[in-house]
Amino acid sequence: AQKVTQAQTEISVVEKEDVTLDCVYETRDTTYYLFWYKQPPSGELVFLIRRNSFDEQNEISGRYSWNFQKSTSSFNFTITASQVVDSAVYFCALSAYDITGNQFYFGTGTSLTVIP
Amino acid sequence: DGGITQSPKYLFRKEGQNVTLSCEQNLNHDAMYWYRQDPGQGLRLIYYSQIVNDFQKGDIAEGYSVSREKKESFPLTVTSAQKNPTAFYLCASSMRTWGHEQYFGPGTRLTVT
Repeated sequence: AQKVTQAQTEISVVEKEDVTLDCVYETRDTTYYLFWYKQPPSGELVFLIRRNSFDEQNEISGRYSWNFQKSTSSFNFTITASQVVDSAVYFCALSAYDITGNQFYFGTGTSLTVIP
Repeated sequence: DGGITQSPKYLFRKEGQNVTLSCEQNLNHDAMYWYRQDPGQGLRLIYYSQIVNDFQKGDIAEGYSVSREKKESFPLTVTSAQKNPTAFYLCASSMRTWGHEQYFGPGTRLTVT
C-alpha cells in the first residue's frame, strides 16, 4: 500500500527560527517520486520540489532545503530563518504505481504559522 | 501565461441543484484531477483523467460526475446526490499521472444551503 504520513498537524515558530516539517512515506515500489507543496491562505497549491527514488542528494533552494533518506523512508523539509510569508499548509506527496490506478498520494498536511 | 483556470472562485447553490465547476488548462498536460478539501483537512481525490475521453473514479466519486471531451477541459458536476457538497474544490493537471508534479488551479469554494 502507498501512504504518506505527516505527523505534525500544526507548528508555530517565531520569525527567523528554523523549522523542519516531517514526511514519512510507505511504498513497495523501487521507483517512486516525492513532492512538497505549499498551500498559502489563498488556497492554491504551489509545487515546490520533486525528487525521484534514485536521487538521495539533499537539495537546497534559498531558505528551503530537503532531506531525503530512503533508509528511514523520510523526505523532510526545512525552512531556514522563517518568515511570516512562510505561513501556510505544507503537503508532502508520493507518486508510485498502484494497480488501482490511483498513482498520487497526499499527506494530510502540516499547518505552519510563523509569528512575527 | 500557461496555467490552470477554475471558475467561478465562489459559487452558491440551493440544495437539490446540480452545479458544474469549470477547469481549463493550457499546459498541454494529458492528466487532470479533481480534489475536494474540507476545512482543516487534506486533499481527497474525486476523479482523475489520464487522457481525453477517459476518466477514473477516485476515493470519493459518489455524487460527482466528470467529462473529458477536450484535452484542455475537465469539468466537474456536483449532483444533488452528493450529501455534503459544501467544500473547496481544486483542479490539477500533470504531464502524466505517474511521476510528474501536479499543477493546481486557484480553486472554487462551493457553498450549498
